[in-house]
Amino acid sequence: QQPVQSPQAVILREGEDAVINCSSSKALYSVHWYRQKHGEAPVFLMILLKGGEQKGHEKISASFNEKKQQSSLYLTASQLSYSGTYFCGTVIQGAQKLVFGQGTRLTINP
Amino acid sequence: NAGVTQTPKFQVLKTGQSMTLQCAQDMNHEYMSWYRQDPGMGLRLIHYSVGAGITDQGEVPNGYNVSRSTTEDFPLRLLSAAPSQTSVYFCASSYSLNGLAVTTDTQYFGPGTRLTVL
Repeated sequence: QQPVQSPQAVILREGEDAVINCSSSKALYSVHWYRQKHGEAPVFLMILLKGGEQKGHEKISASFNEKKQQSSLYLTASQLSYSGTYFCGTVIQGAQKLVFGQGTRLTINP
Repeated sequence: NAGVTQTPKFQVLKTGQSMTLQCAQDMNHEYMSWYRQDPGMGLRLIHYSVGAGITDQGEVPNGYNVSRSTTEDFPLRLLSAAPSQTSVYFCASSYSLNGLAVTTDTQYFGPGTRLTVL
């Protein structure tokens, strides 16, 4: 039931854009996105509920395609502070537990 | 608020030993969970609880026990430690509307416990 993330790793230069994808084989109720810096706990970014809504700030946003059971995280004009590992978590419809994917390591170089 | 606290921060065990990882939160969250993190494996759910007295298994529950006697505490017990349980363990909590709506709220993670089993 673990969602699948792609790509596994991304290396960018500062100012470039990135897209991280998350997909599930089960019907989803919600998708959660977290970022983790090395040696620290994951930190919340956003939650998307079924209904296909798109959320986020001006430079970090996400979408949820309910029909395809897919979510994408968009990082625009990346900054050095965006470096870290990004995790998507999913809750399947009818379930209560939050299950995370294997993560996507994002490296931003000057 | 202290948020989610975990103790100890580091622990070294010998194979076969047992121990309890402590997790406490002061936010009156109903939903609590335990994850383990290994390189390349992401965060894997061990056990979770939607309220005091209610627990359920996650993806990798073997070798671990949990209990939830109070809203605040959710200890994780390793029954007989094995080298395969060497990992970083995170506890998390969130609001849960009537035990159902964990999905709509932020998970607050503790700082983690780094466990090594020799």
